[in-house]
Amino acid sequence: DVVMTQSPLSLPVTLGQPASISCRSSQSLVYSDGNTYLSWFQQRPGQSPRRLLYKISNRDSGVPDRFSGSASGTDFTLKISRVEAEDVGFYYCMQHTHWPHTFGQGTELEIK
Amino acid sequence: EVQLVESGGGLVQPGGSLRLSCAASGFTFSGSWMHWVRQTPGKGLEWVATMKEESERYYVDSVRGRFTISRDNAKNSLYLQMDSLRAEDTAVYYCATEAGLSWGQGALVTVSS
Repeated sequence: DVVMTQSPLSLPVTLGQPASISCRSSQSLVYSDGNTYLSWFQQRPGQSPRRLLYKISNRDSGVPDRFSGSASGTDFTLKISRVEAEDVGFYYCMQHTHWPHTFGQGTELEIK
Repeated sequence: EVQLVESGGGLVQPGGSLRLSCAASGFTFSGSWMHWVRQTPGKGLEWVATMKEESERYYVDSVRGRFTISRDNAKNSLYLQMDSLRAEDTAVYYCATEAGLSWGQGALVTVSS
């Protein structure tokens, strides 16, 4: 199985400051069609997960442009340019290139 | 608007069975990939099963042979039949659309004597 390793697991951030979450996969996530099926999810307290980004860097409808994604080989990064109070919660990366689909352990973002 | 509504969760004894349902609306259900994902209390997310057509079903190793994913396209519904349940299957079970774009509110399954 592909192991997705996130860091940090806890991320205290001051309001208005940037934040960055890393996700490393144990093998390449490039599919035979040339796409890389790596998504990022946000889970606010008491809510279901919500997809933010798909195929590394494509924002879903309604997702603020302060969220961005990038990749370098098997290293993937979610960046928030300026953290707002509504960004508090857990963030997960997920790969769906390979079966079984696998998630990272999750990163808890909190406001300092 | 996409809506996914899970039902069928509850308390069951170890070794017992439970069937989850997911009623879908707001998109073309037939022919779409559909997933079950679970979240253990206080822990992270685990993909459980996926189905597109009858011939395309996938399971995580820990549930293969015990859980069965199925669907009724006429009813726009997804199901998860869970047999031989274990304590470690205790979780909130979500149904989700293709690539996790949309999620339901979740159904809590508790396996305990």
